[in-house]
Amino acid sequence: DIQLTQSPSFLSTSVGDRVTITCRASQDISNYLAWFQQKPGKAPELLIFATSTLQAGVPSRFSGSGSGTEFALTISSLQPEDFATYYCQQAKSYPYTFGQGTKLDIK
Amino acid sequence: VQLLDSGGDLVQPGGSLRLSCAASGFVFTDYAMSWARQAPGKGLEWVSSIRANGGETYYADSVKGRFTISRDNFKNMLHLEMNSLRVEDTAVYYCASVGAYGALFYWGQGTLVTVSS
Repeated sequence: DIQLTQSPSFLSTSVGDRVTITCRASQDISNYLAWFQQKPGKAPELLIFATSTLQAGVPSRFSGSGSGTEFALTISSLQPEDFATYYCQQAKSYPYTFGQGTKLDIK
Repeated sequence: VQLLDSGGDLVQPGGSLRLSCAASGFVFTDYAMSWARQAPGKGLEWVSSIRANGGETYYADSVKGRFTISRDNFKNMLHLEMNSLRVEDTAVYYCASVGAYGALFYWGQGTLVTVSS
């Protein structure tokens, strides 16, 4: 099975900060990587698929990069509505797997 | 796009439950579908997927042999039959549509399954 390791697990940040979350895969997953945002009590929402393609309606301050085994989600300037938990997901092969999540807190 | 999850309930260990997901707003027969779950206070876990034509199914090791995914392409419905339920199956279960590069594009609102005596 392909393991995904996200870092950091928690991040205290401020509005306006630039934030980068990384996701490392245990083997090459090409660009079969997606990023999700989840707010408390809500279903996850897709932000980015195919490593760097923004889902429709997602603000351009979100961006994705990487390939192979190293990936990153960057938020260029944090907004109040961005404080949430973020997950990466690989779909290179079954079983699909998620990273353990990164929670962004207000500093 | 709308996915409506239902069927969650309180069930005793060893019991069974059937979850359903009603899909609308897209061509259901064109897309693979998945179930994912989230235990209380924990992260996301992929559970199962089914191809668009229902011909192939996939399961997480944690549910293989106990859960069965199926779909009714005439009624635009996705199901998850869960047997031999364990306490550790307690979670919110979400259905999701599978899009480009295997990403889970759209999610249902979730349905809570509680396994407890």
